Order: sequence, then structure tokens, then C-alpha cells
Amino acid sequence: NAGVTQTPKFQVLKTGQSMTLQCAQDMNHEYMSWYRQDPGMGLRLIHYSVGAGITDQGEVPNGYNVSRSTTEDFPLRLLSAAPSQTSVYFCASSYGTSGNTDTQYFGPGTRLTVL
Amino acid sequence: GENVEQHPSTLSVQEGDSAVIKCTYSDSASNYFPWYKQELGKGPQLIIDIRSNVGEKKDQRIAVTLNKTAKHFSLHITETQPEDSAVYFCAASQNHDYKLSFGAGTTVTVRA
Repeated sequence: NAGVTQTPKFQVLKTGQSMTLQCAQDMNHEYMSWYRQDPGMGLRLIHYSVGAGITDQGEVPNGYNVSRSTTEDFPLRLLSAAPSQTSVYFCASSYGTSGNTDTQYFGPGTRLTVL
Repeated sequence: GENVEQHPSTLSVQEGDSAVIKCTYSDSASNYFPWYKQELGKGPQLIIDIRSNVGEKKDQRIAVTLNKTAKHFSLHITETQPEDSAVYFCAASQNHDYKLSFGAGTTVTVRA
């Protein structure tokens, strides 16, 4: 099992550019989420999905879009990047209601800088 | 929504001593409390978790205690070793609710 994988590891964008952060898991997990990590603020939930075709907003959803067409993949789209979106982004997954554990498994992160 | 506060923000301990990190939460409906360890350049990794029907849980040198009445929970690391140096996060959520609320993190440094 590769677990949760994220690409790219690093990315530099100019203000106004768009891009997609990729996330995939091979554990057949129901739940997937995106968090951003900023210094001194812990991790904050951006969007989450409880299954293919179902997504919902987290704490800081503005400026981001998601979709979940398959169980394995959960991409995060920045439509028009802003400097305030400079952060480290983590994708996570868990079994959800189909499992007996709430453990979330995190990917290695994508470090994004918006100039 | 849930608000989780974590203290201290930094903690330096001598190798072999104990380290304690404390968190408080605001939502009495929260009943799942995981702790994550994050090493430099990596994603957070679960080290221990506790549910509200349990007051204490231990796993080798790591223990977590929960006081539901006071709405606080703590991580205890005994006999600290250099490899315990990392950033530790507490979090809270409701059962099978994907919305984890994290504390701001504690940077632990173990001095040799």
C-alpha cells in the first residue's frame, strides 16, 4: 500500500494562476479531506468528502473547489491563486462509517507559494 | 464550531524527563480526541487517541488522559528520547465525523 499520496511536493504560482493539487489513496477509504497548515494555527479543514460524488465545505473553503468522482482521488483546485493561499496543504483519508476506527491518515503534503 | 486550545507552544526537556502537553476543547458533543506527531517535512501521524467513554489510555511511553467535565485532555510522554523531538497536535471531533479541529501545535525539543 502506498497510503495517501500527494503531488506535487512543491509549487510556486503567480497571483491569479490556477492549479490542481492531487491526492490519491489506495486503502479504499470512504472519507477524504483537505487541510491547510499555517504557522501557529495548526491544521484547518478546507473541504471534505464522505464518499464518491459527495463533498462539503470545512472551516476555510473560500478560494478552493473539490470534486470526488472516484473513491481513490480527491483533487483540490485553486481557481485564482492569492498570496493568502501560501501554505502547506495536506490530504487525509479514513475508513469513515464503514470502519471501526476514526484514524485519519495524512499524505506528505504540498508546499505552495503564491507570489 | 469546535475550538481547541493547546499549551505550551514550545517545550524543551532533558532526555529521560517527562513531557506534558495540555489541550482544552469547547464543544461538549466532541467525543474523539486524537494526538498527532509531525516530523519535519512530513505529514501528521497518529500516535494515540482516546474516546470520551475512557479516562486514560496508555501505549508504552505515551499516555493520554481525558477530563470530560472540565473539557480538557493531555498527552504525557515519559522517558523522553531524541526521536521524540517533533511538533505534536491535539484534535477533537465527534464519532465518525470527519471534521477534526486541531490545536495550534507544540514543538517539543528533547535535549541530549
